[in-house]
Amino acid sequence: KAGVTQTPRYLIKTRGQQVTLSCSPISGHRSVSWYQQTPGQGLQFLFEYFSETQRNKGNFPGRFSGRQFSNSRSEMNVSTLELGDSALYLCASSLLQKDTQYFGPGTRLTVL
Amino acid sequence: KNQVEQSPQSLIILEGKNCTLQCNYTVSPFSNLRWYKQDTGRGPVSLTIMTFSENTKSNGRYTATLDADTKQSSLHITASQLSDSASYICVVSAGGSYIPTFGRGTSLIVHP
Repeated sequence: KAGVTQTPRYLIKTRGQQVTLSCSPISGHRSVSWYQQTPGQGLQFLFEYFSETQRNKGNFPGRFSGRQFSNSRSEMNVSTLELGDSALYLCASSLLQKDTQYFGPGTRLTVL
Repeated sequence: KNQVEQSPQSLIILEGKNCTLQCNYTVSPFSNLRWYKQDTGRGPVSLTIMTFSENTKSNGRYTATLDADTKQSSLHITASQLSDSASYICVVSAGGSYIPTFGRGTSLIVHP
């Protein structure tokens, strides 16, 4: 069974631009969560989707948004990028919200 | 405010030795506690998940314990191997919403 895949793996953007990251969950998994990981703050929860509905959202500004498609694939978007958005963005999928989460390799975003 | 504190911040041990990592939390209400292993440059991998009613869970050489009364958990690694060198992250999810709060992790280095 293929694992969670994230594209792109690396991304360099400049301040003010926007970016879209993609996540393909494990086949059959309906819950997809997004996380931001930085050296200063560690891992932080962004949001969680289940069957195309956002069920939970972390404490991030509205510049961070996401969506989930009918095939469970998910995208997250960050608008008006700031230097502090430089981070590793991780996606994780699970069968149900309370089940074991499987993480992808992450997308390393650098904002210049 | 929900918080998860891990100790020690870093740990160096010799191959073959045992070690114990600690996690204290203030998340309420409590849903579950997870331990993850994260190798450098990779996404976290789930080691154990424990709910309120479970006080111990094993996964090979990894054994997690949970004391819901004192809000403490530990991860015991037996007969350490070089491949155990990684960051170990404790995550506590809130009841109902399952919104996770992450600890900052313990960086473990196993020397030959």
